[in-house]
Amino acid sequence: KAGVTQTPRYLIKTRGQQVTLSCSPISGHRSVSWYQQTPGQGLQFLFEYFSETQRNKGNFPGRFSGRQFSNSRSEMNVSTLELGDSALYLCASRRDRGSRNTIYFGEGSWLTVV
Amino acid sequence: GIQVEQSPPDLILQEGANSTLRCNFSDSVNNLQWFHQNPWGQLINLFYIPSGTKQNGRLSATTVATERYSLLYISSSQTTDSGVYFCAVESGGSNYKLTFGKGTLLTVNP
Repeated sequence: KAGVTQTPRYLIKTRGQQVTLSCSPISGHRSVSWYQQTPGQGLQFLFEYFSETQRNKGNFPGRFSGRQFSNSRSEMNVSTLELGDSALYLCASRRDRGSRNTIYFGEGSWLTVV
Repeated sequence: GIQVEQSPPDLILQEGANSTLRCNFSDSVNNLQWFHQNPWGQLINLFYIPSGTKQNGRLSATTVATERYSLLYISSSQTTDSGVYFCAVESGGSNYKLTFGKGTLLTVNP
C-alpha cells in the first residue's frame, strides 16, 4: 500500500511569505504528526492531529499551525517566514493514538527561506 | 522530558564490517523505533522495538527496557547502509510524540 505522501518535496520562499505543506497518511491511519529537522536542533516535534483535532503541540511559535481533514489528510502552515524556518519538514502517520503502533514517515518537504 | 543519547555520533567502516549502534534513554518507554535516514531525507522505519530482540536480514535490534538502552546491529555492512541512524522513543507521559536522539552518521567505504 502507498506510504505517507508529502507535497511539495522542495520549495523556496522569501522571508515574510507563508507556506502550506500537505501530507496524506497511509490509508487507514488516523493520527498525523509533523516534525521539523534542522542541522542545529535535530528532529523536533511540531504537532499531532487525530480526528481533525490538534492533540499535542511542540514548543514552536504560533506562526506554525496545522489542520487535519475528515479523510485524515493534514496540512501545516508557516506564516511570516523567517530564515530560521529553513528545514526539512517531515510528516508521520500511525494507525491510531495508541503508543504501541509503528510510526511511518514521509519523504519530507525541503523548505528554503531566502 | 525524556532524554535520548546515541553513540557513537560518527562511525566509519569498511564494507563487510559489523557495527553496533547504541541508544540510551532516561525514562521508561512505550515505543522505541530505529530509523535510517536516506540521502533524500526520508526516515525509513527499521524496527519497532520497545523491548526484546528482532532481526531483519543483516540488521537486528535489542532493547533492554529495564536498563533503558537499545542496540542496533548491522552485520556485513554495505555502502548502501551509509546514512544517519536515529533512535526515537515515546514515554508514557509524552502524549504520543517521538523524542529523537541526535543520530549516528554511518559511512561505509567500498
